[in-house]
Amino acid sequence: ETGVTQTPRHLVMGMTNKKSLKCEQHLGHNAMYWYKQSAKKPLELMFVYSLEERVENNSVPSRFSPECPNSSHLFLHLHTLQPEDSALYLCASSQDRTDFGEQYFGPGTRLTVT
Amino acid sequence: SQQGEEDPQALSIQEGENATMNCSYKTSINNLQWYRQNSGRGLVHLILIRSNEREKHSGRLRVTLDTSKKSSSLLITASRAADTASYFCAGRGNTGKLIFGQGTTLQVKP
Repeated sequence: ETGVTQTPRHLVMGMTNKKSLKCEQHLGHNAMYWYKQSAKKPLELMFVYSLEERVENNSVPSRFSPECPNSSHLFLHLHTLQPEDSALYLCASSQDRTDFGEQYFGPGTRLTVT
Repeated sequence: SQQGEEDPQALSIQEGENATMNCSYKTSINNLQWYRQNSGRGLVHLILIRSNEREKHSGRLRVTLDTSKKSSSLLITASRAADTASYFCAGRGNTGKLIFGQGTTLQVKP
């Protein structure tokens, strides 16, 4: 788990707040991912970045805004969220987007929207 | 479309017993991966089996893959209390996308 770190680990925010989730990978990988994990649902892939370029956006509402300033860092900016956005947000990385190998996950940020 | 569907959704066994979890998927895959997640934490990769492989072992883990039935199974032998976690299968399609199932929650009672 120490290869991919996420901060904060827990976040409570109101619907009018703006906050950011941070992910950092120390593995020298070129691809990074944001997933959403809600109770009793499969992991949902939200965004994929490859070499700092967003290559996939899976119909995610615009209140979620990703940013990848370099290949080691990934952010998820949050604004005007809804209670149904409460979930565990997981960041992951892999060597390349199409390397077919495993992904390495961070510990997640538990987000509660009140 | 959901790639992996796990069965059972929940499994409770005694320490020392074997645990078997099954996964079915819908589309063609390059490989199938199994991950473990301890409560409220990130996923940890356990094992990967390629589409041209039928069986793979890693320690107490045994994975099988039947591409004709689009199914896979994960067997954990001689389970321990520390194996208590959720287990997810994930199919890696030819586009590189990894699509996860809903997972099986395993409880191993000491």
